[in-house]
Amino acid sequence: DTGVSQDPRHKITKRGQNVTFRCDPISEHNRLYWYRQTLGQGPEFLTYFQNEAQLEKSRLLSDRFSAERPKGSFSTLEIQRTEQGDSAMYLCASSLGLAGVVEELFFGEGSRLTVL
Amino acid sequence: QKEVEQNSGPLSVPEGAIASLNCTYSDRGSQSFFWYRQYSGKSPELIMSIYSNGDKEDGRFTAQLNKASQYVSLLIRDSQPSDSATYLCAPKGGDYKLSFGAGTTVTVRA
Repeated sequence: DTGVSQDPRHKITKRGQNVTFRCDPISEHNRLYWYRQTLGQGPEFLTYFQNEAQLEKSRLLSDRFSAERPKGSFSTLEIQRTEQGDSAMYLCASSLGLAGVVEELFFGEGSRLTVL
Repeated sequence: QKEVEQNSGPLSVPEGAIASLNCTYSDRGSQSFFWYRQYSGKSPELIMSIYSNGDKEDGRFTAQLNKASQYVSLLIRDSQPSDSATYLCAPKGGDYKLSFGAGTTVTVRA
């Protein structure tokens, strides 16, 4: 097992373009999270999945953002019509997902987005 | 009011000294607390978790929790240059997500 992997690691795009990030969680983990982090700030919660179900989405998240986890394994995060304010590190994390158990989140190395 | 507030940094300590990091949180329903370390350009990694009031020690790290005061802290004893990083406090509320503070950057001077 190689941990949480994210792709691409870096993405530079022009304003108005669409981008998609992929996350592969640790294989036996049922929960998957997306966070966004900008310089000097802590990770900000975006959304999370329990298996294939998206259970919560931040109310701060624009409609331009959408996430999927179609088969309960990997997940994609798409940003449509990117804006310069979307420039950030997008972090994916996963956890076991056992009911009633407080769990550690394991983070991937992140996908850094730069919108020109 | 921010959900999670940490003491502003950067915090500079000499090698071998104790670094003290503080965190307050607003969600009284938080039952679990995590400290993550994040090196520059890297992703966060868990270093401590604490669930009960009192102290919890793990090597050179000690976490302290006071739920009545909504306060959690992290002490790093015998600080080493490799401890230079940003430390993120993350309480966990009644749902399954973590809320992170902005972090405190620690620099250990050799």
